[in-house]
Amino acid sequence: GAVVSQHPSRVICKSGTSVKIECRSLDFQATTMFWYRQFPKQSLMLMATSNEGSKATYEQGVEKDKFLINHASLTLSTLTVTSAHPEDSSFYICSASTDGATQETQYFGPGTRLLVL
Amino acid sequence: QKEVEQDPGPLSVPEGAIVSLNCTYSNSAFQYFMWYRQYSRKGPELLMYTYSSGNKEDGRFTAQVDKSSKYISLFIRDSQPSDSATYLCAINSNTGNQFYFGTGTSLTVIP
Repeated sequence: GAVVSQHPSRVICKSGTSVKIECRSLDFQATTMFWYRQFPKQSLMLMATSNEGSKATYEQGVEKDKFLINHASLTLSTLTVTSAHPEDSSFYICSASTDGATQETQYFGPGTRLLVL
Repeated sequence: QKEVEQDPGPLSVPEGAIVSLNCTYSNSAFQYFMWYRQYSRKGPELLMYTYSSGNKEDGRFTAQVDKSSKYISLFIRDSQPSDSATYLCAINSNTGNQFYFGTGTSLTVIP
């Protein structure tokens, strides 16, 4: 149980294009999903917290107009990197909290590796 | 002071050794404690989850929480090369969706 998928697993794009990453909870309803970014040999950096049906809450320093997050249903959240540049190249990981009063843990997706040329 | 502190290592042990991974935290209100394992180029995988104090065992893994010292540990018995990964501790408060992650400890088990 508690499986989270991400698609695509890897994407290469040209500078200036937009890239959409999907995050799905496969066997549970996720009221809250999280988007992280991870650089090589570094820890997770939380970008934003997404609640179903409402606007995402972005961490300080994360541009909300560049990283568009949509959480339209209890099983799907999307992250769109708009007008991607080489410095956006990174490993993007989503996670989901199980639906519940305290949402005490997170289940992670396998990650999406983005390379912007 | 960070909410969670974790020694990044790297830690290198021979196969069969007992591994001890540790984190300290700052807020005594934290109630939920997790350990994740992350292989290179993969998403973190939930290993152990504990609520409040005490020990929890799952196969070769034991998670320990000492709330009086604000110290959490993960022990790996009979370590295997397949245990080589980065281990992240994580903590959640009981007052909402506030998660805090350690920086991760890189472990290598040498055959």
